[in-house]
Amino acid sequence: EIVLTQSPDFQSVTPKEKVTITCRASQSIGSSLHWYQQKPDQSPKLLIKYASQSISGVPSRFSGSGSGTDFTLTINSLEAEDAATYYCHQSSSLPRTFGQGTKVEIK
Amino acid sequence: QVQLQESGPGLVKPSQTLSLTCTVSGGSISSGGYYWSWIRQHPGKGLEWIGYIYYSGSTYYNPSLKSRVTISVDTSKNQFSLKLSSVTAADTAVYYCAREGRVPPAFDYWGQGTLVTVSS
Repeated sequence: EIVLTQSPDFQSVTPKEKVTITCRASQSIGSSLHWYQQKPDQSPKLLIKYASQSISGVPSRFSGSGSGTDFTLTINSLEAEDAATYYCHQSSSLPRTFGQGTKVEIK
Repeated sequence: QVQLQESGPGLVKPSQTLSLTCTVSGGSISSGGYYWSWIRQHPGKGLEWIGYIYYSGSTYYNPSLKSRVTISVDTSKNQFSLKLSSVTAADTAVYYCAREGRVPPAFDYWGQGTLVTVSS
């Protein structure tokens, strides 16, 4: 099973600040890494596919990068509506696994 | 627009079997090209993938739950179902159904989730 480790677990950020979340895989997964946003009492929402590819309808301030074992989700100019927990997920192999999540709070 | 909706009992007694159904609308399970997953989230915790099924009935289960999980599909009703046997309090969670695409193999549509509590 591929283990995904996110850092940090929690981040408190002021609006307009830049947020960086990392996800490290226990073995190489190429670009088979996807990012989700989950707001309280909502289902997760797909934000970024294949490490860096944008999803229609997702604001352009969200971007992703990386390949192999190290990945990054960046939120440029954080907005209040971005308060949520963010998860990475790998589809390189079965079973599918998720990172433990990074909670982003707005100061 | 594809929509998924979970249904089933919100309370299950310990040692019994948890049963949930996911009804898909706006798209046909039997059209192929997608895997249909169950994912759960323990209260205040992260996401755990339970397993998936293809329209043909082919399945894959998370080894951590494999001995207790059965996922089935009913293409005539455009539904797929989860059964988890011998439940304990540790199975208390929000259960989501979700669609996994082929390209990309990411979860692009999710149900709203249903809380299942295991308690006597």
